[in-house]
Amino acid sequence: DAKTTQPPSMDCAEGRAANLPCNHSTISGNEYVYWYRQIHSQGPQYIIHGLKNNETNEMASLIITEDRKSSTLILPHATLRDTAVYYCIVRVASNAGKSTFGDGTTLTVKP
Amino acid sequence: GAVVSQHPSRVICKSGTSVKIECRSLDFQATTMFWYRQFPKKSLMLMATSNEGSKATYEQGVEKDKFLINHASLTLSTLTVTSAHPEDSSFYICSARARGPTEAFFGQGTRLTVV
Repeated sequence: DAKTTQPPSMDCAEGRAANLPCNHSTISGNEYVYWYRQIHSQGPQYIIHGLKNNETNEMASLIITEDRKSSTLILPHATLRDTAVYYCIVRVASNAGKSTFGDGTTLTVKP
Repeated sequence: GAVVSQHPSRVICKSGTSVKIECRSLDFQATTMFWYRQFPKKSLMLMATSNEGSKATYEQGVEKDKFLINHASLTLSTLTVTSAHPEDSSFYICSARARGPTEAFFGQGTRLTVV
């Protein structure tokens, strides 16, 4: 899995968009960008993934730069329940489940 | 997404005893399951990968005789921590995936405390 770099922590006001960056400059052509989050004392929750196009689902949007060396996870209207550790992982699709988790970004949504 | 359930969610055991943690895929057949452990304020670390009907593959540094993994059916994998010691206290998490290029889903985790 390619190495990723994320800021250790971020704050966001409730109701505002949370933009979480991730650098993955050594990403290979067949590696996807996956995002998970872990709410305190729970297992990780899958959020979204993409290869090179921007993706959107009911939880979030994923913006991947054209050179694929970085990406941004966007939570459009953050709520207090979005407070969690967010992990950006880069891996090939066939390695689903066998992920290398870094330290992630602790997002704190404040009222 | 698919549902993966772990049991128990919390367990306290005495030093020297063994503890079994179950991981079940509730609405799909899990051909592959993964076991992670997580220490406080640390990230998840992969311990082992198990394929249904096969022996588990352990990551470097993980003692296979201490962490026994069984994946006897397509919906159940178990992790047994043998002769547990206080340093084995941790948060253990499983994930499961079906055959093919599908996503894997995580259980809610099991908090093990060895006293």
